[in-house]
Amino acid sequence: SQQGEEDPQALSIQEGENATMNCSYKTSINNLQWYRQNSGRGLVHLILIRSNEREKHSGRLRVTLDTSKKSSSLLITASRAADTASYFCATDPSNTGKLIFGQGTTLQVKP
Amino acid sequence: EAQVTQNPRYLITVTGKKLTVTCSQNMNHEYMSWYRQDPGLGLRQIYYSMNVEVTDKGDVPEGYKVSRKEKRNFPLILESPSPNQTSLYFCASSRDRGVETQYFGPGTRLLVL
Repeated sequence: SQQGEEDPQALSIQEGENATMNCSYKTSINNLQWYRQNSGRGLVHLILIRSNEREKHSGRLRVTLDTSKKSSSLLITASRAADTASYFCATDPSNTGKLIFGQGTTLQVKP
Repeated sequence: EAQVTQNPRYLITVTGKKLTVTCSQNMNHEYMSWYRQDPGLGLRQIYYSMNVEVTDKGDVPEGYKVSRKEKRNFPLILESPSPNQTSLYFCASSRDRGVETQYFGPGTRLLVL
């Protein structure tokens, strides 16, 4: 079963704008990860945020985590056409290495 | 370059014809797993392996087999493929279970006729 739900399912913005994606999950977690997938290709790990962290930055990425609401958000600032991809949140609630992925947000950045 | 490789990348086969998708990682990772990705269903884990000779079922193991005879390799075997196994398959590895970053292969797109 899917742990996470992502919102919105699809997002279209102009280059230079910011993109925000949200993820909600159901069970308690140790950490939450975000991955990017270019069309039909493998997933690339973007960032991990631990349950005791509220915010984390990596380059143009900013991730927040609210464990009380069981939700996370990924902000991509100053978006570029190359950011066009699907973005997934993932958790490992059983700590077995089995990642439970959200359905993903498809981001289109128009040049 | 640290990577996970899969072969083949694309495969068209017929129902019942046994096939193997290979997966290899060069990062000395303990943990490896297989996922399938389907529209509307997302990514689901098929099997995983915590170490050599240790494998276990994920969420959707039916119709699949795996083996882990060497640390670097984790092949996915479909003994008798069926059309409902048409999917995009990903192999992944990480340093250890529950450890953060998992590295994904490029994917194998399988069509079973």
